[in-house]
Amino acid sequence: AQTVTQSQPEMSVQEAETVTLSCTYDTSESDYYLFWYKQPPSRQMILVIRQEAYKQQNATENRFSVNFQKAAKSFSLKISDSQLGDAAMYFCAYRSSGNQFYFGTGTSLTVIP
Amino acid sequence: DTGVSQDPRHKITKRGQNVTFRCDPISEHNRLYWYRQTLGQGPEFLTYFQNEAQLEKSRLLSDRFSAERPKGSFSTLEIQRTEQGDSAMYLCASSLLGSTGELFFGEGSRLTVL
Repeated sequence: AQTVTQSQPEMSVQEAETVTLSCTYDTSESDYYLFWYKQPPSRQMILVIRQEAYKQQNATENRFSVNFQKAAKSFSLKISDSQLGDAAMYFCAYRSSGNQFYFGTGTSLTVIP
Repeated sequence: DTGVSQDPRHKITKRGQNVTFRCDPISEHNRLYWYRQTLGQGPEFLTYFQNEAQLEKSRLLSDRFSAERPKGSFSTLEIQRTEQGDSAMYLCASSLLGSTGELFFGEGSRLTVL
């Protein structure tokens, strides 16, 4: 079974600085998708960024980018120029070829003004 | 379209009672997922549907839990004879088969069992 591990329960970053959230996963598949989702307090989970495993180029969405290392099964999220609104729980997720999703336990990000 | 909606948002019940949650997915989405989330944890898979067919159900899911999606549109999740351990946030998400497959989540239904 696929597993997703987020080893940082909590992280903090100064406003305008950069922070990297870590994620590793375990799979025997070669074709899959990886996602980072953001869950603000008491609000719904929203997609931050996605990465297709067959693409070597790292995905980027404005201030958010990933470092995808397929051989190492690593998928970290970098947030640049952190803003107060970035404070949330961040979940790494793996989507298998069978369209099943597996989530990590999350990283709580605090942004310090 | 207003996204995935869930009802009720909060439910407080006594142990032993039955509860039902409803999820209305994004209208063109043919896949619908139910997850359970407890404090400090990531979403835990419960079950999912493709159209009206329930394709997979978690092995960890007690037989007190049942889900339906009768017309391939909205879905209901029923918990019978609730226990205190059922207290959690129940999340619904939908996706479109054939797309990049990302999940669109509702705001969740929080269950408290006293």
